[in-house]
Amino acid sequence: NAGVTQTPKFRILKIGQSMTLQCAQDMNHNYMYWYRQDPGMGLKLIYYSVGAGITDKGEVPNGYNVSRSTTEDFPLRLELAAPSQTSVYFCASGKQGSSYEQYFGPGTRLTVT
Amino acid sequence: DAKTTQPPSMDCAEGRAANLPCNHSTISGNEYVYWYRQIHSQGPQYIIHGLKNNETNEMASLIITEDRKSSTLILPHATLRDTAVYYCIVRVANGNEKLTFGTGTRLTIIP
Repeated sequence: NAGVTQTPKFRILKIGQSMTLQCAQDMNHNYMYWYRQDPGMGLKLIYYSVGAGITDKGEVPNGYNVSRSTTEDFPLRLELAAPSQTSVYFCASGKQGSSYEQYFGPGTRLTVT
Repeated sequence: DAKTTQPPSMDCAEGRAANLPCNHSTISGNEYVYWYRQIHSQGPQYIIHGLKNNETNEMASLIITEDRKSSTLILPHATLRDTAVYYCIVRVANGNEKLTFGTGTRLTIIP
């Protein structure tokens, strides 16, 4: 299993541009998440999904959109990029249950200038 | 989910046991204690979790006090590769499974 994969690893955007961060998992997990991590800070939840076709907002959803058309994929869309969105973005997945663990991808480092 | 409090940083000598404390005094009866760590520039990694009883796996041990208001993560023989930020998280099981990360404890293993 590849686990959770994210592309791209790095990206520089100009203010106002848009892009999609890709996330895929091959563990058949029903739960998937997008976090952002600013320098020296903990992770903040942007959006999450409990299954295909179902998404919900996390703590910091403004400026982002998500979709979940399949169990495997959970892309994050940035519209009209702003410098405040400069961050490292992590995707994670997990399987519901009391022994719940989240598995994280390697991250995408995004700079908006 | 209950709020947690951790010291911002700790040092530990290589080969010694690293004991990382976490306070979660408002924890509810159906909330689990989870520990994750984040090595520099990588995604967080699950370490261990527990409800009431002490737990041990190949990475660490988790000691939860009888009143469940605090816990300690123990890395029995710390190595340089254990240098990381350690997050203590409390969450309800079988919900939307969201995890709320604080700022954690930055553990530095000293040679």
